Amino acid sequence: SQQGEEDPQALSIQEGENATMNCSYKTSINNLQWYRQNSGRGLVHLILIRSNEREKHSGRLRVTLDTSKKSSSLLITASRAADTASYFCAPLAQKLVFGQGTRLTINP
Amino acid sequence: GAGVSQSPSNKVTEKGKDVELRCDPISGHTALYWYRQRLGQGLEFLIYFQGNSAPDKSGLPSDRFSAERTGESVSTLTIQRTQQEDSAVYLCASSLGGSADTQYFGPGTRLTVL
Repeated sequence: SQQGEEDPQALSIQEGENATMNCSYKTSINNLQWYRQNSGRGLVHLILIRSNEREKHSGRLRVTLDTSKKSSSLLITASRAADTASYFCAPLAQKLVFGQGTRLTINP
Repeated sequence: GAGVSQSPSNKVTEKGKDVELRCDPISGHTALYWYRQRLGQGLEFLIYFQGNSAPDKSGLPSDRFSAERTGESVSTLTIQRTQQEDSAVYLCASSLGGSADTQYFGPGTRLTVL
């Protein structure tokens, strides 16, 4: 199966600071996506980056992809309390396999 | 348009009882998925429906678990003779097609087996 592993497991920062999360995967991929999960419930699709892209932006989100290193990063700029959530990466596949995610806490 | 909806949002049941969880996918989405997420854990794939093809049941953990889908609409996941280890959030997702299209998730059903 294609699974992403997020790092760090937990991240706590002050509101307004930037948050960076990393993802590593083992198999060759076509696309990689990031999801957010609030309070252990619904998963919200944030962004998809294709294998021929190196960087992609969406609002305050910036995602990078390095296929040679099989890694991706998610940067959230100017963090807000509402960004507190768990973040998961997963190669785009028929059967999504998530790791334990990065638990991000934004402190006021 | 409406997203994926699931019901109930919470279900508490006694060990040994059967439960039925419902998922309404996004209209027009041909693919539907069920996942399970235990507390603090990642996502476990359970079952996948794509159009009229036979479902991929490879993730179902035991024969106590079954799922059905009516055409390209509602799906129900049934757990018979529930056990405490079945306690988890059950998430449903749908995608426009199969073949690794982006999956959009519902809010989940939190199942607690006492």
